[in-house]
Amino acid sequence: AQSVTQLDSHVSVSEGTPVLLRCNYSSSYSPSLFWYVQHPNKGLQLLLKYTSAATLVKGINGFEAEFKKSETSFHLTKPSAHMSDAAEYFCVVSEDNQGGKLIFGQGTELSVKP
Amino acid sequence: DTGVSQDPRHKITKRGQNVTFRCDPISEHNRLYWYRQTLGQGPEFLTYFQNEAQLEKSRLLSDRFSAERPKGSFSTLEIQRTEQGDSAMYLCASSIRGGGRITEAFFGQGTRLTVV
Repeated sequence: AQSVTQLDSHVSVSEGTPVLLRCNYSSSYSPSLFWYVQHPNKGLQLLLKYTSAATLVKGINGFEAEFKKSETSFHLTKPSAHMSDAAEYFCVVSEDNQGGKLIFGQGTELSVKP
Repeated sequence: DTGVSQDPRHKITKRGQNVTFRCDPISEHNRLYWYRQTLGQGPEFLTYFQNEAQLEKSRLLSDRFSAERPKGSFSTLEIQRTEQGDSAMYLCASSIRGGGRITEAFFGQGTRLTVV
């Protein structure tokens, strides 16, 4: 069965410093992986996706993630945090042969200090 | 196309009443999902459709919950005899499912249900 573990429930960084949000997945087959962001009182927005092409994936707003099969990880990074990055971030896994439903992690709340 | 639309945005109901939510997916998206999200948690899978066929329903979902997608377009989610534990944000999403890999899902703004 597929599952996702986000290793930190809350991450706090200073503006201008790097961001690292950690995600490990469990999947029996080759998965598709996504990161979504949810700002307060806003809908879920796709940041980036991995679907078996390049292992380093670039997304919107300067975010990127690297798929590491050997480590079953898909960590989200950004070189320099901005105040507007403060939000809840969700790592999501999906498997073609399991019908393609999306399984969400518990989320990581990112705080950005001035 | 304006994206995934959900109606209503907010619903307050008394315990024991029935409620129905509607979701209009992005045109030509053949897959439609329902999720539930409570405060501080990630979205929890409820059910999903490929066109009009309901492919899977979460085992966590009680028989009070039912979903339909007639004609493979909009979908409705009904909760019968609501309980306070049903209070949550109900999210709808749609995507394209074809012969290739899974594409990303686009989410609506959600319907916030409060059972009093």
